[in-house]
Amino acid sequence: AQTVTQSQPEMSVQEAETVTLSCTYDTSESDYYLFWYKQPPSRQMILVIRQEAYKQQNATENRFSVNFQKAAKSFSLKISDSQLGDAAMYFCAYRSAFTVSSGDKLTFGTGTRLAVRP
Amino acid sequence: EADIYQTPRYLVIGTGKKITLECSQTMGHDKMYWYQQDPGMELHLIHYSYGVNSTEKGDLSSESTVSRIRTEHFPLTLESARPSHTSQYLCASSESLAGLRNEQFFGPGTRLTVL
Repeated sequence: AQTVTQSQPEMSVQEAETVTLSCTYDTSESDYYLFWYKQPPSRQMILVIRQEAYKQQNATENRFSVNFQKAAKSFSLKISDSQLGDAAMYFCAYRSAFTVSSGDKLTFGTGTRLAVRP
Repeated sequence: EADIYQTPRYLVIGTGKKITLECSQTMGHDKMYWYQQDPGMELHLIHYSYGVNSTEKGDLSSESTVSRIRTEHFPLTLESARPSHTSQYLCASSESLAGLRNEQFFGPGTRLTVL
């Protein structure tokens, strides 16, 4: 079974600065997908960024980028130019590419609560 | 925001009551999911459905049951609520696409408190 570990329960960043959230995972599969989801207080969880394991190039979405290290099974999220609206719970998630056996189920980490200081 | 809705948003109820948490989506997605999320903790899949009349149990054992009679509707029922059922319940849906583009969209959640 796959596991996802987020070792930072809480992080804090100054507005306009850069912060990196860590995520490691354990799997024996060769092909899979990784996601970062954002859950603002009392609001819906939304997808921030996604990465396919077979792609060497790190995904980027505006101020959000990832550092994907497949050999190390690491998938960190970097938020540049942090804004007050970035304050939220961030979850790292794993999904197998082998949908016949595992479906589309997501395995989540325990989350990192990000605070943004004005 | 995604077109997926959950009602009620908050529910406080006494032990032994039967409750149904509603989840609806207007995106025509075949796949729907229920996750349980305790405060400050990860989400655990408790039920999923790949289409009408299809339901499966997830990774976390749950005393709840689900049904999928219509594509857009995926209600979760607890026959007899207990304090151990106190949690946040998140509903999600996705298309039947293979690959990376198959994104799960989440509802706003129902925060359940059983006294």
